[in-house]
Amino acid sequence: NAGVTQTPKFQVLKTGQSMTLQCAQDMNHNSMYWYRQDPGMGLRLIYYSASEGTTDKGEVPNGYNVSRLNKREFSLRLESAAPSQTSVYFCASPKVGANTGELFFGEGSRLTVL
Amino acid sequence: RKEVEQDPGPFNVPEGATVAFNCTYSNSASQSFFWYRQDCRKEPKLLMSVYSSGNEDGRFTAQLNRASQYISLLIRDSKLSDSATYLCVKAAGNKLTFGGGTRVLVKP
Repeated sequence: NAGVTQTPKFQVLKTGQSMTLQCAQDMNHNSMYWYRQDPGMGLRLIYYSASEGTTDKGEVPNGYNVSRLNKREFSLRLESAAPSQTSVYFCASPKVGANTGELFFGEGSRLTVL
Repeated sequence: RKEVEQDPGPFNVPEGATVAFNCTYSNSASQSFFWYRQDCRKEPKLLMSVYSSGNEDGRFTAQLNRASQYISLLIRDSKLSDSATYLCVKAAGNKLTFGGGTRVLVKP
């Protein structure tokens, strides 16, 4: 049982390039989230999906797009990467609704934009 | 002001000692609180929930003070393996807000 799986784990991009971060969960959860983590800033919510076919903006959505392809998969796309998007990205899925507080995280994707 | 604030530390703790640190929050209506642990270059993992009456999980004690709007985490008999960053989390409905984390270093 893998839980939440993210790919790639590391990526270096040049400014203006595009890429997609993939996330899949095998826990049959409805909700999925994308966070970014920067030093001293904590985790900030980029986008979330409460169920298959729905997505909503979080705290810092600018520069990103998402797709909830099916119940298992939730991808995050950077259409034109900027140095300010250098960060560690985490995909997460809550056990039973986020107010239980238990999020299962992927291992993270470390992105550097030059 | 950030919704959830933490002292970034680091808190340097001798092995076997007790360490405690707080997290302050704002916008306090109808919320739940949690502590997560994050090891270096790893993903966060839930450590424990925080209840109004206070709660313990082994060597860890969490407290919530709604009047003063802070939560605390106390670690007794610190182990080297307790070295990590501890993230304070506020949950309201589907929204989780994370603090920046408090780094704890336990030294022999």
